[in-house]
Amino acid sequence: EIVLTQSPGTLSLSPGERATLSCRASQNVDNNYLAWYQQRPGQAPRLLIYGASARAPDIPDRFSGSGSGTDFTLTINRLEPEDFAVYYCQQCRTSPLHTFGQGTNLEIK
Amino acid sequence: EVQLVESGGGLVQPGRSLRLSCTASGFRFNTYWMSWVRQAPGKGLEYVANINTDGGEKNYVDSVKGRFTISRDNAKNSLYLQMDSLRVDDTAVYYCARPGRLWAFDIWGHGTMVTVSS
Repeated sequence: EIVLTQSPGTLSLSPGERATLSCRASQNVDNNYLAWYQQRPGQAPRLLIYGASARAPDIPDRFSGSGSGTDFTLTINRLEPEDFAVYYCQQCRTSPLHTFGQGTNLEIK
Repeated sequence: EVQLVESGGGLVQPGRSLRLSCTASGFRFNTYWMSWVRQAPGKGLEYVANINTDGGEKNYVDSVKGRFTISRDNAKNSLYLQMDSLRVDDTAVYYCARPGRLWAFDIWGHGTMVTVSS
């Protein structure tokens, strides 16, 4: 089973700043089958990035994903108030179940 | 509109059973694998189970093996999760989700709350 470790656990930033979130896998994630989700309080998760770097439909271009192998990054430029939420990475390659990271809480400073 | 709607959650005593349903609309349900994901209060996301398009392949996280059964009815565009021998640590919001491109979950339901307590 691939274990995903996200860092930091909590990130405190101000609107307008850039956020950099990390997701490290215990094994290689084949073909970069890595996704990122945003979850606001009381809501279901929302897909942001799939295939490590492809933005899902209707996701603003201030969200970008990068990385390969075992190290992946979600970058959010020019933070908006609605971006403060919890973010999860997920490996979508190794069957049968596609594990999630433990999450990063992006909070307003 | 592409949509997933869960139902069937509630309060149940430890050891009892509950059946969750998820109704899909706006897409060809029978061409997609489907999954259940849960989230305990204040915790992260946990992949519970998935099922292939015709129901012939099912996978479960170790903590629910032998207690939970995932199934689907393609004629009714519906996904189910039969939960038996429920435990307090099964308390969570249960989401159904559709894996899309590169297996990322592109569609999620709103979730249904299951509380296991005496």
